[in-house]
Amino acid sequence: AQSVTQLGSHVSVSEGALVLLRCNYSSSVPPYLFWYVQYPNQGLQLLLKYTSAATLVKGINGFEAEFKKSETSFHLTKPSAHMSDAAEYFCASGTYKYIFGTGTRLKVLA
Amino acid sequence: DAGVIQSPRHEVTEMGQEVTLRCKPISGHNSLFWYRQTMMRGLELLIYFNNNVPIDDSGMPEDRFSAKMPNASFSTLKIQPSEPRDSAVYFCASTVTGRVETQYFGPGTRLLVL
Repeated sequence: AQSVTQLGSHVSVSEGALVLLRCNYSSSVPPYLFWYVQYPNQGLQLLLKYTSAATLVKGINGFEAEFKKSETSFHLTKPSAHMSDAAEYFCASGTYKYIFGTGTRLKVLA
Repeated sequence: DAGVIQSPRHEVTEMGQEVTLRCKPISGHNSLFWYRQTMMRGLELLIYFNNNVPIDDSGMPEDRFSAKMPNASFSTLKIQPSEPRDSAVYFCASTVTGRVETQYFGPGTRLLVL
């Protein structure tokens, strides 16, 4: 059965620092993987998705993620955090039916 | 283009009352999903429809919950009778099946059952 694990329910970084949000997946077949962001009182918005075309995926707002099959990981990074990045981030796996991780709340410190 | 539309955005009701949440998917999308989000349980898939047919309702908590999709542009999620533990944010999302595609989420309905 598929599963998605996000390590760290809360992550704090300083403005301008590297953002690293971790996601590991468990799947018996090559997965399709997604990162979504949820701003307060809003729905989820797609940041990026991996569909096996390229292992390094670039998304919106300067985010990117790298698919590493050997590590079963799909970590989300951004070189320099901005205050506006404060939100909750969800990793998901699936095709049309997703399995979501439990989310990581990112706090950006001034 | 309009995104996924949900109504109402906020609902406060008393225990025992019937609650109906509404969703209009993006035009042309043929799959629709209902999710529930709580602090304790995170984001849970309740049910999904493909071409207006319920495909998987294994996430529906109990018989008090029901969902319908009478046509391609409208779906409802009903709770009858409602209970305080149903308090959550309910999201609707839509997509196109047949390939890997992004799910587009609505803004959610924040439900509070007193």
